[in-house]
Amino acid sequence: AQSVAQPEDQVNVAEGNPLTVKCTYSVSGNPYLFWYVQYPNRGLQFLLKYITGDNLVKGSYGFEAEFNKSQTSFHLKKPSALVSDSALYFCAVRDPFSGGYQKVTFGTGTKLQVIP
Amino acid sequence: DTAVSQTPKYLVTQMGNDKSIKCEQNLGHDTMYWYKQDSKKFLKIMFSYNNKELIINETVPNRFSPKSPDKAHLNLHINSLELGDSAVYFCASSSTAIGTYEQYFGPGTRLTVT
Repeated sequence: AQSVAQPEDQVNVAEGNPLTVKCTYSVSGNPYLFWYVQYPNRGLQFLLKYITGDNLVKGSYGFEAEFNKSQTSFHLKKPSALVSDSALYFCAVRDPFSGGYQKVTFGTGTKLQVIP
Repeated sequence: DTAVSQTPKYLVTQMGNDKSIKCEQNLGHDTMYWYKQDSKKFLKIMFSYNNKELIINETVPNRFSPKSPDKAHLNLHINSLELGDSAVYFCASSSTAIGTYEQYFGPGTRLTVT
């Protein structure tokens, strides 16, 4: 069974500082990994994904994530945080061996608070 | 243009009532989903349809019944509503085309059962 863990309920970072939101996963094969962001009273919004290829993937709003197979991690990063980045971030994993059916498992979410 | 839309946005009803939530996507996707997000923001998949065929049916009470009249629409009907059904319900869609696996979410329907 696939699973994903976000060990931090909340991350606080000062504006202008680099930020990292952690994610680790467990799947039987090579994973498909995703990051989504949810602003208050809104639906989830896709940020970036890793399917194959370069371990460093870049996404929307200056975010990037690094796939680390040996550590089974997919941490979300941004070099310089903005107050507008404050939101709830979800990591998600899909096991490509789940067949043609795209069941994705979401983490519990990490609230990012960027302090002015 | 709204990619994934849901109606209604808010739904307040009493225990025991029956209600429906509708979802439509104009992205040309072939797979649609219903998720439930509880008060702690945990997101749990309920159902998924691919080309109108039910492919994911998680452990959900029989009071919940999805229906997909076509690839662009997925509705959720809930019978005999209970207090524990209060949550935000999200519809999402995705494509099975190679290289595209991300899901696009609707704005959510906040259901409050009193």
